[in-house]
Amino acid sequence: AQTVTQSQPEMSVQEAETVTLSCTYDTSENNYYLFWYKQPPSRQMILVIRQEAYKQQNATENRFSVNFQKAAKSFSLKISDSQLGDTAMYFCAFILIQGAQKLVFGQGTRLTINP
Amino acid sequence: ETGVTQSPTHLIKTRGQQVTLRCSSQSGHNTVSWYQQALGQGPQFIFQYYREEENGRGNFPPRFSGLQFPNYSSELNVNAMELDDSALYLCASSLVSGLPTDTQYFGPGTRLTVL
Repeated sequence: AQTVTQSQPEMSVQEAETVTLSCTYDTSENNYYLFWYKQPPSRQMILVIRQEAYKQQNATENRFSVNFQKAAKSFSLKISDSQLGDTAMYFCAFILIQGAQKLVFGQGTRLTINP
Repeated sequence: ETGVTQSPTHLIKTRGQQVTLRCSSQSGHNTVSWYQQALGQGPQFIFQYYREEENGRGNFPPRFSGLQFPNYSSELNVNAMELDDSALYLCASSLVSGLPTDTQYFGPGTRLTVL
């Protein structure tokens, strides 16, 4: 079975702080991509960052970076200098390269940035 | 915004009825995927269409069906609705071009309530 686990249902930090969201996943396949998606309240789900499993270098996108540990099947998201607009549900997901492009999502982490 | 639109925004139906949800993909995208997101959960893959044919299906019964049209639009049909079908239904479009795993762009969703 392919699963994604996000162990932090909710997190809250002050504006400008750094926060790390955890994600672990399980698959027997070796070739896949990993994603973090952001779903603001009543707004569309948008891609935050993506990581190819065959790349050892961790992906970064401005204030967003990941810590990808393939052997541990861990894929955490770090948000630096957090902003009020970062308040949202964050979903970790992966997709296998072979077959239908089916995203497998975790349960999500509700992140609140406080002023 | 992602360029993916969905209609209607909200819908209320009665158990046993049928419903059709619509999605308009980004121009040029040849693949559309549909997801069901129950309240407080991550999205679950329903099925995917590639060039107007079903290209993969999740663990959903046959009363969930779909269509994809040449003009980048698609439909999700649900027959004999049950109370548990109440959820946010998301469509996501992507351009599958033979390269590994292209990014999926999500629409804002249709909130379906079954009474």
